[in-house]
Amino acid sequence: GENVEQHPSTLSVQEGDSAVIKCTYSDSASNYFPWYKQELGKRPQLIIDIRSNVGEKKDQRIAVTLNKTAKHFSLHITETQPEDSAVYFCAAWSAYSGAGSYQLTFGKGTKLSVIP
Amino acid sequence: NAGVMQNPRHLVRRRGQEARLRCSPMKGHSHVYWYRQLPEEGLKFMVYLQKENIIDESGMPKERFSAEFPKEGPSILRIQQVVRGDSAAYFCASSPRAGGPSETQYFGPGTRLLVL
Repeated sequence: GENVEQHPSTLSVQEGDSAVIKCTYSDSASNYFPWYKQELGKRPQLIIDIRSNVGEKKDQRIAVTLNKTAKHFSLHITETQPEDSAVYFCAAWSAYSGAGSYQLTFGKGTKLSVIP
Repeated sequence: NAGVMQNPRHLVRRRGQEARLRCSPMKGHSHVYWYRQLPEEGLKFMVYLQKENIIDESGMPKERFSAEFPKEGPSILRIQQVVRGDSAAYFCASSPRAGGPSETQYFGPGTRLLVL
């Protein structure tokens, strides 16, 4: 099955600086990679996703890059703000062994703290 | 369009009791997924259902846990004879019918289960 590793587990940055979170995956068949933001006690919310037919996607201050050869993808947040403070999870989707079954496998999360 | 709904939001049970967690997907979504999140950890896939069908339950513990998604009504995750180790946040997510499992998953607010 798929295995997703996420680093770092915690990240502190000064307001206005950039933050980068990296994930690696093991299943070369994976083709969909979403990123979720989870504030304390709240639901995970999708912030950006990328599919394997593109190498980079940007949405305002957030960008995601994908390197299929190396099997890693990264989240980049520029001009960080205190409200960016949360736990961020990467995930990879792949067909699981067994007919018609599918799973999103999540990384363990990165706790981002933006210091004003 | 209401988002994914879950109830109850908080559930307290004593060891040996049963816990029933409900999830109503977004309107038009017929794919439902259940995840478990332990404190300070990522989300772990449990089960993937479509209406009246369990597609993939490879993440479900073999005993005490069951899930259903009937033709009418919400999806139910049922935990029998709960133990302290079942204490966690349980999230469900849904995705659209048309796109299939690789479409974006939208999460509910979660049910936080505490077993005393």
